[in-house]
Amino acid sequence: DQQVKQNSPSLSVQEGRISILNCDYTNSMFDYFLWYKKYPAEGPTFLISISSIKDKNEDGRFTVFLNKSAKHLSLHIVPSQPGDSAVYFCAASERDSGYALNFGKGTSLLVTP
Amino acid sequence: GAVVSQHPSRVICKSGTSVKIECRSLDFQATTMFWYRQFPKKSLMLMATSNEGSKATYEQGVEKDKFLINHASLTLSTLTVTSAHPEDSSFYICSARDSYTEAFFGQGTRLTVV
Repeated sequence: DQQVKQNSPSLSVQEGRISILNCDYTNSMFDYFLWYKKYPAEGPTFLISISSIKDKNEDGRFTVFLNKSAKHLSLHIVPSQPGDSAVYFCAASERDSGYALNFGKGTSLLVTP
Repeated sequence: GAVVSQHPSRVICKSGTSVKIECRSLDFQATTMFWYRQFPKKSLMLMATSNEGSKATYEQGVEKDKFLINHASLTLSTLTVTSAHPEDSSFYICSARDSYTEAFFGQGTRLTVV
């Protein structure tokens, strides 16, 4: 059963605009959330993370928002750049489960010039 | 960030043979490593958790006799696909964490069984 869900398989955004990628989860025990960027035939690259005790974390052009009551998080990229085009995975972990990550199915972002 | 190296990046093997994939944490000690498998256009699915010095913990539905995991040291975990079949063809990725805040991934291994 998919505990982390990314319901949008793809997203297209114009360069310079904001990209918003969404993620929902079902396990209320998750206490740490991460976003990864992935290119085909490569391992995921860590982007940004957030602990469940926070509702926002910002790192440069990337901001992650967490709404615990809604079990929802989102990744904002602003301004979007063509180099941001990739598949973005949302992941969640539960401390008591030994740090294993549960991934969503990914959202393919295309940033057009 | 920390570096996790996975080798080989690509391997083609004949049906019935075994293939070993190595995962090394280059600049930190990883007591726990994770092995994932990705099917085309699908998410990364956790296969097993590799614990240094003890047996791996496999996820439901993963055959432990087919996917042998060994975590012989704090910097090396191996995944051996035994008696490989074409349906084992996939992209395999290892991961290690040096703290609770991040997880670092290897480059992945594209396995093709012919």
